[in-house]
Amino acid sequence: EAGVAQSPRYKIIEKRQSVAFWCNPISGHATLYWYQQILGQGPKLLIQFQNNGVVDDSQLPKDRFSAERLKGVDSTLKIQPAKLEDSAVYLCASSHHGGGYTGELFFGEGSRLTVL
Amino acid sequence: QKEVEQNSGPLSVPEGAIASLNCTYSDRGSQSFFWYRQYSGKSPELIMSIYSNGDKEDGRFTAQLNKASQYVSLLIRDSQPSDSATYLCAVSDSNYQLIWGAGTKLIIKP
Repeated sequence: EAGVAQSPRYKIIEKRQSVAFWCNPISGHATLYWYQQILGQGPKLLIQFQNNGVVDDSQLPKDRFSAERLKGVDSTLKIQPAKLEDSAVYLCASSHHGGGYTGELFFGEGSRLTVL
Repeated sequence: QKEVEQNSGPLSVPEGAIASLNCTYSDRGSQSFFWYRQYSGKSPELIMSIYSNGDKEDGRFTAQLNKASQYVSLLIRDSQPSDSATYLCAVSDSNYQLIWGAGTKLIIKP
C-alpha cells in the first residue's frame, strides 16, 4: 500500500514570496490533515478535511494560508505572503476515519519550509 | 483551552533499562489516547493506543491509563539505542479532535 505522498520535500523562499505544498493521501482515506510542526514542538493542526469538506480550520491563519482538497483526494496548502515565522515542517496526514476515533494517522514525509 | 502536557526532556536512560514517559491532559471527556514516535527529521508514527483504564502491553511497550488522574504513560522495557526518538502523546478530546503534546525527547545511552 502506497503511503502519503508530499512534495516538495524542501523549499527555501524569501519572506513575502508564496509557496505551495501538495499532498496525496492513502487511497480510500476520507480524512486529510495539514499540520505545521516547528522544531521542538508538537504538530499543530492547520486544517482537517473530511472528503471535500472542511472539518476544522480554526488554527489556519486565513489571511495568508489557504488549502483545498479537490475531488476528495489530493490537497494543496498555499502560503502567500510567507513570513519568517512560517519556517517549519508541513506535515500531511490521512486517516480512514476521523482521527479522533482511532487516532491512527498516517503521515507523509513532510515538506520543510525555510523563509529567509 | 484543552491541553496535553509532556516533559520536554531530554530523558536519558541507559541501554537495557526501563524508559518511562508521562503525559497529562486537561479534558476529562477524553476517550482515546495515543503514543507516536518521531525520529529526528522524520514524521510521527503510531506505536500504541489505549482506550480504557489500566495497562496495555505490546512487545516491549506498555501504555498505562488513569482517567481519574488524567494521566497516561508509556513504558519501554529493555531500552535500545534505536528507541532514541521524540515521543508524542496525542489525546482524542470530547469532540473527537486530536490534541497533541509537545513531545518528550528520549535518549538511550549504550
